Parts: sequence; C-alpha cells; structure tokens
Amino acid sequence: EAQVTQNPRYLITVTGKKLTVTCSQNMNHEYMSWYRQDPGLGLRQIYYSMNVEVTDKGDVPEGYKVSRKEKRNFPLILESPSPNQTSLYFCASTPLGTGEGEQYFGPGTRLTVT
Amino acid sequence: QQQVKQSPQSLIVQKGGISIINCAYENTAFDYFPWYQQFPGKGPALLIAIRPDVSEKKEGRFTISFNKSAKQFSLHIMDSQPGDSATYFCAASIGSSNTGKLIFGQGTTLQVKP
Repeated sequence: EAQVTQNPRYLITVTGKKLTVTCSQNMNHEYMSWYRQDPGLGLRQIYYSMNVEVTDKGDVPEGYKVSRKEKRNFPLILESPSPNQTSLYFCASTPLGTGEGEQYFGPGTRLTVT
Repeated sequence: QQQVKQSPQSLIVQKGGISIINCAYENTAFDYFPWYQQFPGKGPALLIAIRPDVSEKKEGRFTISFNKSAKQFSLHIMDSQPGDSATYFCAASIGSSNTGKLIFGQGTTLQVKP
C-alpha cells in the first residue's frame, strides 16, 4: 500500500529535550515536506527536500532541523523544543515532474512541549 | 505573509444544504488550485483541483468555481452530508515551477448537521 508513515503519532516532552519525528514514504517520491498545523493558521511549511541531500527552509523553519540521507526518509529534529512548538505535525511527499502539486500526507504527529 | 486567505473559519450546514468555502490569493503566478479534505485524526487528502484555464470543475457533489480576474476560488458542496464533516483547506501553487511547493489557506471546519 502506497503511504507516508510518521512516528510517533503522539509525543509529550519537556522543554529542551531533543526529539526526532520520523517520516517515511514508499512511493519513491522526490519531494518531501514537513508542515505544522495550528488552529486558524492552516498548514505552514517548515522544511522541504527536493531529493537526497537537498533540503531548504520553508515558511517557519526556526527551531527545526531536517536531513535527507535516503530518498524515502525525511526526519524532523527539534534539538531544543519549546512550548511554542506544541502543534500537529504532518509529513508529506509528492512526485516531481507532474506539475500538479498533489501531496500525500502522513497521519500526523501531535506534539506537546511542557 | 498569508498568500492564500480562506473563509469562513467554521461553517455549520444542515444535511442537504449547500456548503460554500471561499479563498482569495495574491500571487498571479499561481496556476494550480487544489482543495484538501481532512478528517479528524487523519492527514489531509486531495479532494479536487482546478487550473485557471477553466472557470469551473465538478466532481460529483463537489464543485470548484474560479474567478481569475478577482483572484478568488471557492468550493461548493451540494447536498451536504454528515460524512462531509471535516476540515477543508484550499491551496495554491506554481505548478509549472515543478517545485512541489503548496501554499495553504487557514482551513475551514465544516459541520453538517443531520
């Protein structure tokens, strides 16, 4: 089954404790992206990657890091989480070359930072 | 800056009624306008999309109306059903740029009452 998976689905942590949210897709998509979803703000892009070893900042990158060492994986790293990073996070992937922009989203990770 | 503005933030419709969600964009380079549907606990999924060379696209009970001169587009859900209760996001992209980047609106939470 074609899908984007994220782990963990729920995470409660404390300020300053480094964490990683994993994302994996089995569709051989080049483009992967991380979003955060907050009420009234919609989906805002954090980082994206157009292929292995190619990453770039989205609209709200502060406090986050990413890496793309393999085509299928795109982990999101919060090295020193703060309460304002409490949010619902989504990973997404899309094939480049379609010009259509359809993105396939993972199920989401709800993060709470206390 | 918010390049895609969506309204209303929430909407309550009776079963069988018409749900209308509106979006306005600023960047005239946008050439692909999808709508995503998100059920609670799930990631967004593509519902319907339109390109600016047509003024309307219909798929079943879902219709996108597009007004290029006003830089506005809207989603109409005819004969709304309780199963349509979800959050809806409009989005825009420059499809010809082949970057995969989508700009999302703020989202509309739709509740269809039986």
